[in-house]
Formats: sequence, structure tokens, C-alpha cells
Amino acid sequence: DSGVTQTPKHLITATGQRVTLRCSPRSGDLSVYWYQQSLDQGLQFLIQYYNGEERAKGNILERFSAQQFPDLHSELNLSSLELGDSALYFCASSAGGLAGGGSTDTQYFGPGTRLTVL
Amino acid sequence: LAKTTQPISMDSYEGQEVNITCSHNNIATNDYITWYQQFPSQGPRFIIQGYKTKVTNEVASLFIPADRKSSTLSLPRVSLSDTAVYYCLVGVGEYSGAGSYQLTFGKGTKLSVIP
Repeated sequence: DSGVTQTPKHLITATGQRVTLRCSPRSGDLSVYWYQQSLDQGLQFLIQYYNGEERAKGNILERFSAQQFPDLHSELNLSSLELGDSALYFCASSAGGLAGGGSTDTQYFGPGTRLTVL
Repeated sequence: LAKTTQPISMDSYEGQEVNITCSHNNIATNDYITWYQQFPSQGPRFIIQGYKTKVTNEVASLFIPADRKSSTLSLPRVSLSDTAVYYCLVGVGEYSGAGSYQLTFGKGTKLSVIP
């Protein structure tokens, strides 16, 4: 158990809908990362927050948005869903401030949310 | 955006040493190279991390040449429980603002350990 929790575990929805995925980081961790994992694209970095502020942005679609709240939990909002958005979405957390960059910190991954868009 | 390249799959017998290499041609100057292990339907799990030369912990070693354009994960004496997908992770670009820095995972190497 990494200490990172994600809800829900599974989500089935229809095209055009909007969903919210939730992540609670490990106790004491200030950074949260979101990743999308699909069979054809592998693990894709979406976005990172540090202590409530956006720190780095990856290949996140404009239909997707995220935020980190004062209690450090984070939510990933996916809207106007398409079939191709079906994937595993992972949240990870790390302790820090990333002195040298995002991959300097050890990231602890949650169990993921499996999103199926029908 | 720079690419990270790993072999798609590898087979090994139990008890052998396994070396998995990742090429990363545009790693950020101050970034570390990190390797993760992933079992089916689970999140990736940290194995080892390094900046240059050699790092060893209780489960693996990591070799990084001076130019840092590649890294090699070494798993000594693998067992059946090491059957998993192994990913390298690097940072690319300058960590100076949103959009200019990317965390890039390799596509993963599926290691199958044979009894």
C-alpha cells in the first residue's frame, strides 16, 4: 500500500459526459501528479501540482482540468468524454518541492481509476 | 518532445541477472533517472533512482554513463515474482514553468521470468 488513495476505483460513463476523479496523497506529501495509461500510449504525464499550484503540465487535453485543494487532495476533471478517453488514470504523490525537477522526487502511485467511456 | 526508448519485452530464467536499458536523448540537466515496476492492475512502484555513475539498493542497481543519454537497470538473480513491466522515467526540458517541462515514461519493458 503506497498510502495514496484514489476514488472511484471504476467508472463507466457515456460519451459527452463529465467525470471527476479524486486523489488523496500520502500524509505529508505536497506534490500530486496525474497520469493516463492506455494500451497504445503507455503512461502519459498529464499535470503536476505542488502545494496547490500548478507546477508542470504534460499532454493534458483542454477538455481535462485539475486542481489541488488546501488539504492537498486533488481532483482531475474530464469533460466532453470521448471513447478514446477510456484508460487507467493514476495519481501519484511526492514529498516535494522538486529542487531539480519533477523526476527528482520519488513518486508513490495510487491504485488508479479505470475509466470506461461507452 | 524527446523520446525514451526501451525494449518491448525480455525473457529470463530464474536466478539470472537481467539488464534493461533505456535511452533518453534529451534528459533535463538537473533531473534524475528513475525506474518503476508495475504489476497488472496496479500503480507503478519505485525501484531505484540515480543521477550519474552507479547506484545500488537492496533490489537493483542502476548504471548511468557520463553523457546520461541512457541508463541500465540491473536486477540480480531474478525470481518469478519479478515478472512485471519496468519503466524508466526522466524529466525533459527546463523546469521553469508550466508547459516547458515534461515527465516522460518509457513505453515499458515486459519482463517474463521463466522457471
